[in-house]
Amino acid sequence: AQSVTQLDSHVSVSEGTPVLLRCNYSSSYSPSLFWYVQHPNKGLQLLLKYTSAATLVKGINGFEAEFKKSETSFHLTKPSAHMSDAAEYFCVVSTTSGTYKYIFGTGTRLKVLA
Amino acid sequence: NAGVMQNPRHLVRRRGQEARLRCSPMKGHSHVYWYRQLPEEGLKFMVYLQKENIIDESGMPKERFSAEFPKEGPSILRIQQVVRGDSAAYFCASSTDLSGLNQPQHFGDGTRLSIL
Repeated sequence: AQSVTQLDSHVSVSEGTPVLLRCNYSSSYSPSLFWYVQHPNKGLQLLLKYTSAATLVKGINGFEAEFKKSETSFHLTKPSAHMSDAAEYFCVVSTTSGTYKYIFGTGTRLKVLA
Repeated sequence: NAGVMQNPRHLVRRRGQEARLRCSPMKGHSHVYWYRQLPEEGLKFMVYLQKENIIDESGMPKERFSAEFPKEGPSILRIQQVVRGDSAAYFCASSTDLSGLNQPQHFGDGTRLSIL
């Protein structure tokens, strides 16, 4: 069975400094992994996805993530945080057959300090 | 190109009433998923539907909850005889025909259900 673990429930960074949001996954098969962002009282927006192509995935708004099979990790990074990045971030693994339903991590709330 | 549309955005019900949540998928999407988000938690899968068919309802509570996706019109998530524990945000997502390509799901803004 697939699962994801987001290692930090809250992360605070100063504006202009790098962002690192950590995610580890468990999957019996080659996984499909996603990062979504949720702003307050809004839906989820897709940041990026990994589906067994390049291991370094570039997404929107300057975010990227690296798939590391040996570490079963899919950490999300951004070189320089912006105030508008403050939001909740979810790491997601998709079941690899059948219904392709999503299994969500518990989320990481990113706070950006001026 | 409109995204996934959910309505209402906010719904207040008293205990024992029925709640109906609607979801119109993105144009061209024939797969609909419903998720529930409890406060301070991630989203949990409830049900997956294609037009006129429930494909996977393994995340649906056994009683009071039902979902449909008719040939015409939006998908409906129905909760009968609501209880306080049903208070949550309910999100709908849609995707294109999967065909093994694992297309990403696109989410609506959710319906926030409050039970008095």
